[in-house]
Amino acid sequence: DVKVTQSSRYLVKRTGEKVFLECVQDMDHENMFWYRQDPGLGLRLIYFSYDVKMKEKGDIPEGYSVSREKKERFSLILESASTNQTSMYLCASSLTNQPQHFGDGTRLSIL
Amino acid sequence: QKEVEQNSGPLSVPEGAIASLNCTYSDRGSQSFFWYRQYSGKSPELIMSIYSNGDKEDGRFTAQLNKASQYVSLLIRDSQPSDSATYLCAVNFNKFYFGSGTKLNVKP
Repeated sequence: DVKVTQSSRYLVKRTGEKVFLECVQDMDHENMFWYRQDPGLGLRLIYFSYDVKMKEKGDIPEGYSVSREKKERFSLILESASTNQTSMYLCASSLTNQPQHFGDGTRLSIL
Repeated sequence: QKEVEQNSGPLSVPEGAIASLNCTYSDRGSQSFFWYRQYSGKSPELIMSIYSNGDKEDGRFTAQLNKASQYVSLLIRDSQPSDSATYLCAVNFNKFYFGSGTKLNVKP
């Protein structure tokens, strides 16, 4: 089975902090994705990556950056956390044209 | 127009009935189609994939694809209260697009 592991289930940070969310997959998937999900807004794509050191902006990249130094790891960075970034963050991975598999999610609160 | 459209619901069905969830998509070049189930507070879980026209059955679940009508559906037979969740439709055409989900309530 595909295993996508997110480093934290719950995280509380303060406004202005730099926040790192980590995601690791164990299935040698070339594609990795970061989403946020808010009530009534569905899944919104923040960034994705098709290969090591490659990254593409999704629909809402503002205030975020990503890093993919190794194939199995995709990190989401909140450069200066703000309260409107309080959300559920979901990481996913996939092979090309195959379904995405999600981690358990990180519920991030910015105070 | 959104790439993937779903009725947000809630769709309420009695236990034991058939639940029918529908999804339309905008791009005729779409190649692959997926249904995910998401329980409240949890992450989406893949339950069905379908790639060609027609029906695909897996246990109590049947996915139906009609590319000419740009329509994909999910039928859940003998619905159980444990099926109560939000069901997300996803479509892949060079990029993955998710619908906003249909909330299903199965009443005992």
